[in-house]
Amino acid sequence: DQQVKQNSPSLSVQEGRISILNCDYTNSMFDYFLWYKKYPAEGPTFLISISSIKDKNEDGRFTVFLNKSAKHLSLHIVPSQPGDSAVYFCAASARRNYGGSQGNLIFGKGTKLSVKP
Amino acid sequence: GAGVSQSPSNKVTEKGKDVELRCDPISGHTALYWYRQSLGQGLEFLIYFQGNSAPDKSGLPSDRFSAERTGGSVSTLTIQRTQQEDSAVYLCASSRNLAGGYEQYFGPGTRLTVT
Repeated sequence: DQQVKQNSPSLSVQEGRISILNCDYTNSMFDYFLWYKKYPAEGPTFLISISSIKDKNEDGRFTVFLNKSAKHLSLHIVPSQPGDSAVYFCAASARRNYGGSQGNLIFGKGTKLSVKP
Repeated sequence: GAGVSQSPSNKVTEKGKDVELRCDPISGHTALYWYRQSLGQGLEFLIYFQGNSAPDKSGLPSDRFSAERTGGSVSTLTIQRTQQEDSAVYLCASSRNLAGGYEQYFGPGTRLTVT
């Protein structure tokens, strides 16, 4: 049973426009969410995160929105650039469980973003 | 180097053979994680270490998989009697602390192919 779902395996956007990547989760214990970007033949790199006490976090062209009631988060990239073309993974963790047990991130299957010039 | 390194980068092995995958975390990072990514799948958590201990091994797919970490640094993931379904990219990550909120930094992965 997938706890973190990225229902769109791919997304194609024109350069300069907004890219919106979506992620849904089922576990209400999750309280910290991260987005990672992955290029081919490389490991994922951290992009941006958000704690459940916030509903928005912004870093340059990247903004993550969290809707706890809907158990939904999204990553907005604006303006999109061809170098943003990569696979984007949504990940979640339950920090309240720390105290000895959970140390792992639960990842979605990723969304491949293609930004066309 | 400053980042997480993994070796080998690629490994092709015959079914039934044992393999060892190595991870060198970022210096000073106390937490280390192993994931794998099979074709068309997301990252599947395998095991994590806080220091040299692994409190939760439930993510390991079978008893053919084991991992250890020595000196709070290098970790080795061992797969015995490899099967074709073990073919995947095995990713290692480290973070400053096990406490949530510290981002995990990933290595480039080891691509394992079992023939």
